[in-house]
Amino acid sequence: DIQMTQSPSSLSASAGDRVTITCRASQNIDSYLHWFQQKPGRAPKLLIYSTSRLQSEVPSRFSGSGSGTDFTLTISDLQPEDFATYYCQQTYTVPRTFGQGTKVEIK
Amino acid sequence: QVQLQESGPGLVKPSQTLSLTCTVSGGSINSADYYWSWIRQHPGKGLEWIGYMYYSGATYYNPSLRSRAMISLDTSKNQFSLKLKSVTAADTAVYFCARGLVVVRVIDVWGQGTTVTVSS
Repeated sequence: DIQMTQSPSSLSASAGDRVTITCRASQNIDSYLHWFQQKPGRAPKLLIYSTSRLQSEVPSRFSGSGSGTDFTLTISDLQPEDFATYYCQQTYTVPRTFGQGTKVEIK
Repeated sequence: QVQLQESGPGLVKPSQTLSLTCTVSGGSINSADYYWSWIRQHPGKGLEWIGYMYYSGATYYNPSLRSRAMISLDTSKNQFSLKLKSVTAADTAVYFCARGLVVVRVIDVWGQGTTVTVSS
């Protein structure tokens, strides 16, 4: 199985901050890396697919980059509604593994 | 706009079979453009991929489930289902059904999730 490791596991930030979350794959996954946002009691929501493509209706303050094994999700100008848990997922191969999540909390 | 809704028992006894159904509205499951997935989330934990099925009938499962899972499509009802055999307390989780886009291999639509508790 491909292991997906996110860092940090949690972070505290203030509204207006720039936040970067890292996802590392245990082997090459090409560009098959996607980012989801999950709020408590809700289903995950797709933010970024194929490393850097912004899902429809997702604000442009979200961006993704990377290739191979190292990927990042960046939230510029953090908004109150962005406090949530973020997951990466690889779909290069099965099983289609998720990272363990990064919780973004209010400082 | 397509929507997915899970349904099924919220309580299952140990050793029995967990059966969930996902009803798709606003779109057809009868399409080669999509695949149909199940994902679960243990209480307070991260997301675990269970498996998915293509329109063609091809299925892929997480080996960690040790062949206990089975996904099927019912095109006449526009539904797909998950059966998980021989459940234990470790299968207690929120179960999500979801639609994936074949061309980019990404889940783009999720159901709201349903909580299943395994307990006698």
